[in-house]
Order: sequence, then C-alpha cells, then structure tokens
Amino acid sequence: QKEVEQNSGPLSVPEGAIASLNCTYSDRGSQSFFWYRQYSGKSPELIMFIYSNGDKEDGRFTAQLNKASQYVSLLIRDSQPSDSATYLCAVNKGDYKLSFGAGTTVTVRA
Amino acid sequence: GAGVSQSPSNKVTEKGKDVELRCDPISGHTALYWYRQSLGQGLEFLIYFQGNSAPDKSGLPSDRFSAERTGGSVSTLTIQRTQQEDSAVYLCASSHGVANEKLFFGSGTQLSVL
Repeated sequence: QKEVEQNSGPLSVPEGAIASLNCTYSDRGSQSFFWYRQYSGKSPELIMFIYSNGDKEDGRFTAQLNKASQYVSLLIRDSQPSDSATYLCAVNKGDYKLSFGAGTTVTVRA
Repeated sequence: GAGVSQSPSNKVTEKGKDVELRCDPISGHTALYWYRQSLGQGLEFLIYFQGNSAPDKSGLPSDRFSAERTGGSVSTLTIQRTQQEDSAVYLCASSHGVANEKLFFGSGTQLSVL
C-alpha cells in the first residue's frame, strides 16, 4: 500500500467550476498535510497546508482534513485556466520527511 | 541566494558514466532534501541533510548513489556508473528546519542516461 494515494486524473473542469481533488494516506500517525502545485516542466510550489481536522480556506483554495478517515482534499473554486497543473498531496508524520502522492493533473477548459 | 539553485539544469550522459548534481539552498536553511521524480510519477525521497549531517539516507536507490553537504550549504548528489533507469528529474529542496515547514524547491536537474 502506498503511503499517499491520489487519483492521477486528468481531472477536466470548465472555467468557473469547482475542482475537487482527493488524497488518502496510510499512516494514522500523520500530522501535517500539504498541497503542492506543479506546472508542467516546473518545480513544485506549496499552495496549502493543514494540520487540524476541518477546513482551511485561502482565497479560492480550501483544504479539508479528516484524520479519522485518513483523507485530505483540496477544493479550487472559480477554477481558472491558470489553475491547470498537477497537484501533489504530501504528508508528514512529525519528522523531517514529506511523502508525496503521484499527483492529480487538472485541466481547466476555457 | 534568492531561491534554491540547481545545476546543471539538463544533463545527458552515457550509461556507465558518473554524474554530479549540485544544489545551492536558500541561505540560512539548515534542512536540505533530494527527491527524484520520474515521468508521470510522484516525488521519491532520496536523502535528507540537517546541517552537514545526513541522518536519513534510506531513500538512496543503491550504493551507486551518494550525497554530501559542506559548510551547511551546497550539496552534491553523485551517481556512479549511471544506468538508464536513473533517468529522471532530480529535485533539491530546502527549509528552515523540519518538514512541517514550507519546502522550497529548486528547478531541478533533468538527467538523461543514454
């Protein structure tokens, strides 16, 4: 079982719609959770992090964490073509190492 | 520097040759990481440095891979006797301390082994 699992996509949404990305993790002791965005040919950049159960909003992005069910999700509201990228979920168990999922590719159709 | 700098950006080598990849982290960042990303795959952890020490080398795929960090700054990842399966993007990242803080990634080195 992989430590972090994501649907690879591609996830295609029309401009202005909500894109919903899901991530599950295997280690119940995981403590912090991150979403990185990676444009094609570029390096990952952090867009959201969440530590506690519930929702965390930052602009058009909302991260949701449910530790009991071991999943974390990312919602992108009012999706824009510039949101087209691969979104990587990353999980930390309280030490130094981030474990990454394989990423979900999102395409926003104009 | 202003960001994490990696060199070279692209490296094409022949099978069996040795290669060195360089990472210059953000000034003051004590933690440094090497990850590998194969086409369409997630990031595979290779090694972590805290200062000049590498407490976790568990991700290195084989004994052909080694890394060092000097002066708490620049790190070099060396791959000896390269194989075609080593072809990937090698990403370096740094952070102030531990991984529950933001990782800043370099632009990566695209390694192609022919």
